[in-house]
Amino acid sequence: DAGVIQSPRHEVTEMGQEVTLRCKPISGHDYLFWYRQTMMRGLELLIYFNNNVPIDDSGMPEDRFSAKMPNASFSTLKIQPSEPRDSAVYFCASSSHGQANSPLHFGNGTRLTVT
Amino acid sequence: RKEVEQDPGPFNVPEGATVAFNCTYSNSASQSFFWYRQDCRKEPKLLMSVYSSGNEDGRFTAQLNRASQYISLLIRDSKLSDSATYLCVVSRSNDYKLSFGAGTTVTVRA
Repeated sequence: DAGVIQSPRHEVTEMGQEVTLRCKPISGHDYLFWYRQTMMRGLELLIYFNNNVPIDDSGMPEDRFSAKMPNASFSTLKIQPSEPRDSAVYFCASSSHGQANSPLHFGNGTRLTVT
Repeated sequence: RKEVEQDPGPFNVPEGATVAFNCTYSNSASQSFFWYRQDCRKEPKLLMSVYSSGNEDGRFTAQLNRASQYISLLIRDSKLSDSATYLCVVSRSNDYKLSFGAGTTVTVRA
């Protein structure tokens, strides 16, 4: 089991640039989540998908953020244009469906720094 | 009011000691409860689910108090490797959104 795979591990970019974060969930998992973690706000859910369909994007900060899941094995989180306050660790997680106590499996995260 | 609140600590304890801490949640409709562990600069990982009757997993014991809306985690005979941040996680049954607490940091010293 390869686990949830995220790329890149680190991203440093300048304000105004487009940033794309990538995630490959665990095969067979029906749910995919994007989280953001900062010291000030902790772990925040941005958006989650079920069977590739976005279910709840109420956590997406603003229109600069968008997420897609074109198929069961791939998702992207895009920030355009990026701002310094977007600097954080972005985690992707997946879980299997239909189980109330199904744990989240997190990827290693992408550490984003916007200068 | 935050949905999940934790004492941030840090709890500094010697090896072999017992350490315990709580987490409170605001939504009385919450149905599922978990403790996750996060090591420094790593991803969170599930430590254990928390069941209504309380449950143990080796040196770890979790309790749920629905009346007072809190869950607890107790670590017995603490090891150096238990040093981490422990995240309290709560979810409602009607969706899969998990609410994470900010975490309680535990440092076990030799």
